[in-house]
Amino acid sequence: DAGITQSPRHKVTETGTPVTLRCHQTENHRYMYWYRQDPGHGLRLIHYSYGVKDTDKGEVSDGYSVSRSKTEDFLLTLESATSSQTSVYFCAISTGVTNTGELFFGEGSRLTVL
Amino acid sequence: KQEVTQIPAALSVPEGENLVLNCSFTDSAIYNLQWFRQDPGKGLTSLLLIQSSQREQTSGRLNASLDKSSGRSTLYIAASQPGDSATYLCSLGQGGSEKLVFGKGTKLTVNP
Repeated sequence: DAGITQSPRHKVTETGTPVTLRCHQTENHRYMYWYRQDPGHGLRLIHYSYGVKDTDKGEVSDGYSVSRSKTEDFLLTLESATSSQTSVYFCAISTGVTNTGELFFGEGSRLTVL
Repeated sequence: KQEVTQIPAALSVPEGENLVLNCSFTDSAIYNLQWFRQDPGKGLTSLLLIQSSQREQTSGRLNASLDKSSGRSTLYIAASQPGDSATYLCSLGQGGSEKLVFGKGTKLTVNP
């Protein structure tokens, strides 16, 4: 499973509150990703990281920010949660030396914004 | 823009049947193709990764093939079991893994 853990696994919050999701890996892979999965849309990339303090936007980055201060942790923050951000969030890592390796996913974090 | 299609969206088969899942794509300039399964409420589990220079990969009862010229990959499952019931997704890598494109998946149900 490539040693990926996500926390929290489930969270219910109210509109306007900040939320931080954590992705932790145990194998020091360089590339890490945050996706969201929604019915009818499939998987969509939010942000990704290619090293400590090196991050970039994905397809649906509005309303999200990320940070990576250590190789093993990649944080996703919703500064002010909205109902449209209710989703299942997946962290993934690429095991290649470059960004073309095999992708492994965490178990997901289910977020409900009321 | 790369488009990935998985047809059918859902498939129901009796236990023991051999079956094929399809993944079609429009742009053959890919560096790899990966098959995943996803159980309800779970993350994606990697099944097979095929590099662009390869034609197929096998793992146990699973065999994945890649034909870039026709824009198609198939996942063959031999002697299906109820435990194979899940949604199967394919992803295509091109231009870097931040540009991975995922199919919407095929939901497979294997009936005892």
